[in-house]
Amino acid sequence: NAGVTQTPKFQVLKTGQSMTLQCAQDMNHNSMYWYRQDPGMGLRLIYYSASEGTTDKGEVPNGYNVSRLNKREFSLRLESAAPSQTSVYFCASSGVRLPAWTEAFFGQGTRLTVV
Amino acid sequence: GENVEQHPSTLSVQEGDSAVIKCTYSDSASNYFPWYKQELGKGPQLIIDIRSNVGEKKDQRIAVTLNKTAKHFSLHITETQPEDSAVYFCAASMNSGYSTLTFGKGTMLLVSP
Repeated sequence: NAGVTQTPKFQVLKTGQSMTLQCAQDMNHNSMYWYRQDPGMGLRLIYYSASEGTTDKGEVPNGYNVSRLNKREFSLRLESAAPSQTSVYFCASSGVRLPAWTEAFFGQGTRLTVV
Repeated sequence: GENVEQHPSTLSVQEGDSAVIKCTYSDSASNYFPWYKQELGKGPQLIIDIRSNVGEKKDQRIAVTLNKTAKHFSLHITETQPEDSAVYFCAASMNSGYSTLTFGKGTMLLVSP
């Protein structure tokens, strides 16, 4: 039972390059999220998918796109990377455990450097 | 939107002492307040959470209190151990079936032997 798996773990990009961060969860969760973590800033929500087939912007969506490929997978794409996107990216998922919901489970992170 | 303030940003204690981290939130509609622990190079891991219909929750050496009137909640760790050293994040959410969390900026806790 792997939980939330992110690939790659590390990546260096040149300004203007594109890449896709992959995330998969095996907990049958409905909802998935992408956060970024910067020093002294905590974690900030980029995009989320409340359920399969839906995606919504979070606090800091500019420069990113997402795809909810199926219930398990949620990818984050940088079309033209900028140095300001240097950060650690975390994927998370959460489900429903009646009468409430489960907590958010986080992956191990992708450390991205844009030079 | 929601805004979560967390204090202190760093906290140093001696092994066996207690540690307290405090957070305030701005949106009275928030009803779910988790605390996450993040060790170096790892993702955040939930250690305890509290929902708005409860004022206090305890799990062994860890407890969380919530004051909805004042819009603040706190994490209490008793009998601290060196392995408690990590960064701790509070968060708030208007949870309605999913969990878009607004995080505080984190507290680095250092427990010295």
